[in-house]
Amino acid sequence: EAGVAQSPRYKIIEKRQSVAFWCNPISGHATLYWYQQILGQGPKLLIQFQNNGVVDDSQLPKDRFSAERLKGVDSTLKIQPAKLEDSAVYLCASSLTPGSGTKNIQYFGAGTRLSVL
Amino acid sequence: AQSVTQLGSHVSVSEGALVLLRCNYSSSVPPYLFWYVQYPNQGLQLLLKYTTGATLVKGINGFEAEFKKSETSFHLTKPSAHMSDAAEYFCAVTRTSSSASKIIFGSGTRLSIRP
Repeated sequence: EAGVAQSPRYKIIEKRQSVAFWCNPISGHATLYWYQQILGQGPKLLIQFQNNGVVDDSQLPKDRFSAERLKGVDSTLKIQPAKLEDSAVYLCASSLTPGSGTKNIQYFGAGTRLSVL
Repeated sequence: AQSVTQLGSHVSVSEGALVLLRCNYSSSVPPYLFWYVQYPNQGLQLLLKYTTGATLVKGINGFEAEFKKSETSFHLTKPSAHMSDAAEYFCAVTRTSSSASKIIFGSGTRLSIRP
C-alpha cells in the first residue's frame, strides 16, 4: 500500500513570494489533514478536509494561507505572501475516517521543509 | 480545552538501558492518547494508542505505555534501548470519538542513544 505522498521535499523562497505544496493521500482515505511543524514544536493542525469539504480550518491564517481538495483526492496548500515565520515543515496526513475512533489512524507523509529567507 | 505536556525536551540513555519518556495530559472529557515517533526527515508514525479498555498498551518496536487516569499520565517505556530508537517522540491527545476532534500534540522529546 502506497503511503501519503508529498512534494516538494524542500523549498527555499524569499519573503513575500508565494509557494504551493502538494499532497496525495492514501487511496480511499476520505479525511486529509495539513499540519505545520515549527522547529522544536509538535505539529499544529492547519486544516482538515472530509472528502472535498472543510471540517476545521480554525487555525489556518486565512489572510495568507489557502488550501483546496478538488475532487476529494489530492490537495494543495498555498502561502501567499510568505513571511519569515512560515519557515517550518508542512506535513500532510490522511485517514480512512474522521475523528479519533478505533478505525481512524492518521498516516503522515514525509513533509515539505520550507525555508523563508 | 485539551493539552499535552512532555517533560524533558531531550532524553539520553545508554544502549540496553530502560527508556522512559514522560507525558501528562489535560482533558475535561475521557481522552484518546497517542504516541508518535518521527525519524529524521520523515513524517510521524503511530507507535501506539489508548482508546478504551486495558490501560497498558503495547505498540510497535517493543514500546508500551500505561494510561493512569489518577495521575493524568501516559508515559512511554521500553525495557532495553536500541540504537535505532533514536528519534523524536510526540505524545498527543484528542477527545473520544468526535468526528471533528483535532489531535493536540506535545512539543516532543528527542531520544538519543549512547553506545
